[in-house]
Amino acid sequence: EAAVTQSPRSKVAVTGGKVTLSCHQTNNHDYMYWYRQDTGHGLRLIHYSYVADSTEKGDIPDGYKASRPSQENFSLILELASLSQTAVYFCASSDEGRDTEVFFGKGTRLTVV
Amino acid sequence: GDSVTQTEGPVTVSESESLIINCTYSATSIAYPNLFWYVRYPGEGLQLLLKVITAGQKGSSRGFEATYNKETTSFHLQKASVQESDSAVYYCALAPANYGNEKITFGAGTKLTIKP
Repeated sequence: EAAVTQSPRSKVAVTGGKVTLSCHQTNNHDYMYWYRQDTGHGLRLIHYSYVADSTEKGDIPDGYKASRPSQENFSLILELASLSQTAVYFCASSDEGRDTEVFFGKGTRLTVV
Repeated sequence: GDSVTQTEGPVTVSESESLIINCTYSATSIAYPNLFWYVRYPGEGLQLLLKVITAGQKGSSRGFEATYNKETTSFHLQKASVQESDSAVYYCALAPANYGNEKITFGAGTKLTIKP
């Protein structure tokens, strides 16, 4: 069965610290995505990637970097965490092509204090 | 830009009662977007519940139905008789036809609790 695994599932980080969220997929998908969700808002795309060693900016990339070292792994990096980055983060993957189903991880709850 | 507005939760319904979660959309990038309902069960990731890509058509899955209404720009989710296992967060979403998944726009989600 298709699987997207995120780690950690929750994290408390200090303002100004570095945070790395990891994502691993066993779907053999080319596309991977990072979203954030804030209370009362829909998921918003931060970064995505369609091939290893390459990433693309999504709708809200400021303050985030992404890394895709292999087809299976996709990380989201907050170099200098800020209070405004407190949110739930979702990783997802999908096949190449239009109208393909997106498979999501269980989410990571990040609290920046 | 595109946007999706859905019933603000939380919503509580008694088991075996009927359910409707409203969803309206605004698609400025294209006239007839693809429309989706995703569901997130407790402790799980979002998963696709149903999808409709043709205006006027109805999609159905797990007893849920949604009809693509281009006149009212709506895609309401309905179920005639809910079960306790339907407790979850439901997300309405749209994407321009013939574009990649990076163009999906999600609503805020509606948390549904079913009372036994």
